[in-house]
Amino acid sequence: DAGITQSPRYKITETGRQVTLMCHQTWSHSYMFWYRQDLGHGLRLIYYSAAADITDKGEVPDGYVVSRSKTENFPLTLESATRSQTSVYFCASSEAVRYTSGQYFGPGTRLTVT
Amino acid sequence: GQSLEQPSEVTAVEGAIVQINCTYQTSGFYGLSWYQQHDGGAPTFLSYNALDGLEETGRFSSFLSRSDSYGYLLLQELQMKDSASYFCAVVKAAGNKLTFGGGTRVLVKP
Repeated sequence: DAGITQSPRYKITETGRQVTLMCHQTWSHSYMFWYRQDLGHGLRLIYYSAAADITDKGEVPDGYVVSRSKTENFPLTLESATRSQTSVYFCASSEAVRYTSGQYFGPGTRLTVT
Repeated sequence: GQSLEQPSEVTAVEGAIVQINCTYQTSGFYGLSWYQQHDGGAPTFLSYNALDGLEETGRFSSFLSRSDSYGYLLLQELQMKDSASYFCAVVKAAGNKLTFGGGTRVLVKP
């Protein structure tokens, strides 16, 4: 089915481990985004990408790495997980300069760092 | 810096009207969006305002005043399924980026 998917949906990892969260969209949207949402708060932008091989930092990029070798995939890596990175992570995509249709969000990955 | 302010919680009964206000301070403002998020779910896009005035989409309407750095989301004929969190988000021209407010939790009672 078309859409935006994230995997895994739930992940428990230990402090210091590397973790990669996957995001895949089938719409060929130019823009992709990673957000984190902490309990009871709004979403904060971690990284975004305007096209394949073009990425840039958002509000809270420290401790995260992204890549985008293909238009449809935008993985997020936590190089050395910390407890403060326990959060729900949402991937989103949007068409280029189509503010009127907004961003489409994936179902989220709930990450717990112990 | 940039900031968005919206009330943390609103309670109303079925059939009522609720207005969620959002004030913002930001540079590079392009427009204001609203998103709905049910508990445990993903945010979904509701509306976008780039120009001053009211945009109506069914039972929901959104308003923007650029001169006052202010907008609101109006929920009419409230239904139980409207119980959710609602986020305003500033659209930044550079990069299609969104900066979200902290969200308003709307609780609809029978």
